[in-house]
Amino acid sequence: EAGVAQSPRYKIIEKRQSVAFWCNPISGHATLYWYQQILGQGPKLLIQFQNNGVVDDSQLPKDRFSAERLKGVDSTLKIQPAKLEDSAVYLCASSLVIAGTGNEQFFGPGTRLTVL
Amino acid sequence: KQEVTQIPAALSVPEGENLVLNCSFTDSAIYNLQWFRQDPGKGLTSLLLIQSSQREQTSGRLNASLDKSSGRSTLYIAASQPGDSATYLCAVAVGFQKLVFGTGTRLLVSP
Repeated sequence: EAGVAQSPRYKIIEKRQSVAFWCNPISGHATLYWYQQILGQGPKLLIQFQNNGVVDDSQLPKDRFSAERLKGVDSTLKIQPAKLEDSAVYLCASSLVIAGTGNEQFFGPGTRLTVL
Repeated sequence: KQEVTQIPAALSVPEGENLVLNCSFTDSAIYNLQWFRQDPGKGLTSLLLIQSSQREQTSGRLNASLDKSSGRSTLYIAASQPGDSATYLCAVAVGFQKLVFGTGTRLLVSP
């Protein structure tokens, strides 16, 4: 079974530029998550989708970050314009939906963003 | 607001030692608790998942326990090996089953 795919793996941009990340979850996984991991910290949830609907985006900086999952499969996360503090690893994860239990999340390799 | 704390922040042991990593959380209303491993520059690998109704899970040399009432979990690694060197992250699933992570324990096992 293929895992969660992310691209690009690395990205370096100047501040105020825009950038987009792509994620393809495990086949059949209805729930998709984007996390931000700043160096030395644990990942922080930015947005959670179930199919193509947003479940939780309470920690997404909506003035500069946007995400979509139009067909309920792959997803893109965009930052426009980028700030220095956006330098981080952006992780995508996916999980099945199983009623009544906690679902195991599977993570992709991440995209390391450096903003200069 | 759920907060997850991991102690110690870093740990260095000689090969062969048994060791315990600690995780505590402030709100016992969780769906599950997961332990992950993260190698430098890599994503997260799930090690063990304990449902809220369970007390422990085992996989090979790893054993994780969960005490929901006291807000604690431990990850026990038996007979540590240099290949176990990595950062270990604890996360609890809350709300819509989003994960709240601790800051991790950086483990170094020397030969």
